[in-house]
Amino acid sequence: EPEVTQTPSHQVTQMGQEVILRCVPISNHLYFYWYRQILGQKVEFLVSFYNNEISEKSEIFDDQFSVERPDGSNFTLKIRSTKLEDSAMYFCASSARAGGRSTDTQYFGPGTRLTVL
Amino acid sequence: GESVGLHLPTLSVQEGDNSIINCAYSNSASDYFIWYKQESGKGPQFIIDIRSNMDKRQGQRVTVLLNKTVKHLSLQIAATQPGDSAVYFCAENRPLDQGGKLIFGQGTELSVKP
Repeated sequence: EPEVTQTPSHQVTQMGQEVILRCVPISNHLYFYWYRQILGQKVEFLVSFYNNEISEKSEIFDDQFSVERPDGSNFTLKIRSTKLEDSAMYFCASSARAGGRSTDTQYFGPGTRLTVL
Repeated sequence: GESVGLHLPTLSVQEGDNSIINCAYSNSASDYFIWYKQESGKGPQFIIDIRSNMDKRQGQRVTVLLNKTVKHLSLQIAATQPGDSAVYFCAENRPLDQGGKLIFGQGTELSVKP
């Protein structure tokens, strides 16, 4: 069964450093998303991406964040200068297409645990 | 602001019993809802979904009920098993003109006692 994959599974970085989190969405999917989950809290939307551009972003997704689909398979989240409060699980998700007003079901990857020291 | 919320943070059931997890939402325009299961250290896993033109949808051992009048949905798990132990989230799928994003509730931790 196709699945979303993410690398690395765990990333430890120093405050102020840049990190790139990588995702390979399901191959025929068109919509891509990043979410984050601070330990013990709910999953929060960061950004959605379709047709090589951002569709929607949350207040969390400030100028320090960027996303890119550099080739036909990868989808990346970059944090330019990490802060302590960026420590969280970051999940990538993808969905196939729109069904009326909504996208199809979103499928999640296993996540990258980011620890900022 | 608009939100999706859960009534109880934890639920403990005996193996073999039925489980019911509840969720309330506030956006009356919401038309697509999904239940996800999250096991420790893993990403959310799709369980079942329901669109607003339905009141009930059944899967394997799971049923989702949607009451649009009171903006409430529930997940029922029949014959709960130890492998069902996880955190369960309801999520509202916003329409495409809002980026198709998922708005998650806080989560209910289901614990199944053998």
